[in-house]
Amino acid sequence: ILNVEQSPQSLHVQEGDSTNFTCSFPSSNFYALHWYRWETAKSPEALFVMTLNGDEKKKGRISATLNTKEGYSYLYIKGSQPEDSATYLCVDNNDMRFGAGTRLTVKP
Amino acid sequence: NAGVTQTPKFQVLKTGQSMTLQCAQDMNHNSMYWYRQDPGMGLRLIYYSASEGTTDKGEVPNGYNVSRLNKREFSLRLESAAPSQTSVYFCASSEWGSHSGNTIYFGEGSWLTVV
Repeated sequence: ILNVEQSPQSLHVQEGDSTNFTCSFPSSNFYALHWYRWETAKSPEALFVMTLNGDEKKKGRISATLNTKEGYSYLYIKGSQPEDSATYLCVDNNDMRFGAGTRLTVKP
Repeated sequence: NAGVTQTPKFQVLKTGQSMTLQCAQDMNHNSMYWYRQDPGMGLRLIYYSASEGTTDKGEVPNGYNVSRLNKREFSLRLESAAPSQTSVYFCASSEWGSHSGNTIYFGEGSWLTVV
């Protein structure tokens, strides 16, 4: 993998569903990976910074894991709520490049 | 503490016109960035300034110039605007840049339309 890639591009879930999406990044020269939450018409807001292989971070119903050897991070949302609807971005701190994001829509 | 402030918030330009987007941060950050956001493409790095006095090209620098005026301010200039530059522009800053793990803080965005 040469660039940061996120999948899926978009996701529609029902309120109460748990969901997860992926950020893949070049595993060589890894330094840190950031997750951001971005609501329409607002600025992206930081969720997590992940640095160590095996890192697990949690904030309320949202958590993230990191595998630097295989070059991926998962973001999990447990019991999705409509207010979780946003685009979730990851960025490779090695070159400050963002993935294209996963756009999550949670239907009530 | 205003964080990252960018102006203008909205602008309509005619093809060929020039304009400068202004950005200032009050967090004493060393690194500053300009990104553009287009549908389906996330945030793409235009230029960045790792520290005062330095600027470097990002992924999509063509058609833009930047100036790191001082530690606080980082401006983005479109010399001859083209419709392809219609986008939302975000200025951002972090204490240090790549290989630091520092959080990036964003401005509220500037909506630019080139007709």
